[in-house]
Amino acid sequence: AQTVTQSQPEMSVQEAETVTLSCTYDTSESNYYLFWYKQPPSRQMILVIRQEAYKQQNATENRFSVNFQKAAKSFSLKISDSQLGDTAMYFCAFSGGSNYKLTFGKGTLLTVNP
Amino acid sequence: NAGVTQTPKFQVLKTGQSMTLQCAQDMNHEYMSWYRQDPGMGLRLIHYSVGAGITDQGEVPNGYNVSRSTTEDFPLRLLSAAPSQTSVYFCASTTTSNQETQYFGPGTRLLVL
Repeated sequence: AQTVTQSQPEMSVQEAETVTLSCTYDTSESNYYLFWYKQPPSRQMILVIRQEAYKQQNATENRFSVNFQKAAKSFSLKISDSQLGDTAMYFCAFSGGSNYKLTFGKGTLLTVNP
Repeated sequence: NAGVTQTPKFQVLKTGQSMTLQCAQDMNHEYMSWYRQDPGMGLRLIHYSVGAGITDQGEVPNGYNVSRSTTEDFPLRLLSAAPSQTSVYFCASTTTSNQETQYFGPGTRLLVL
């Protein structure tokens, strides 16, 4: 069974600064996908970024980028130029093989301070 | 294109009551699933379906039933609600051509007294 671990229950950052959220996972799958989802106070689950395991290049979406270390099974999220609207719970998630099941970490609550 | 919709947004039940949480998607996605979110637990998979007429259990299926008679709809049934089922429930869908990105509904908050 896959597991996803987010070791930082809460983090805070000043507006305009950079913050990195950590995520590690454990799997025996060779083909899998990794995701970061954002959940603001509205509760809506919003996809932030996605990484395919077979791609060596780290995914980037505007101010959001990942550091994917496949051998270490690490998948961290870097948020640059943090904005107040980035305040949310962030979940790391894993999907392995072709079963489409998502395994989530417990989340990191990020607060961006003005 | 409404995406994934869920009804109701909030519901209060008494222990032992039954109810159905509705989920619908208009994207012709083959795969649909239900998750529950509890404080400090992340989201956990309850049931999922890979197409009409096909369902299977996830990580926490006890106390819940599902069926999939159409591609669009995937209702979740609580036959006899228990306080332990107090949670926020999310429905999600995806298609095999979407590299496994799942789209979530807005969630249903359920309180069982």
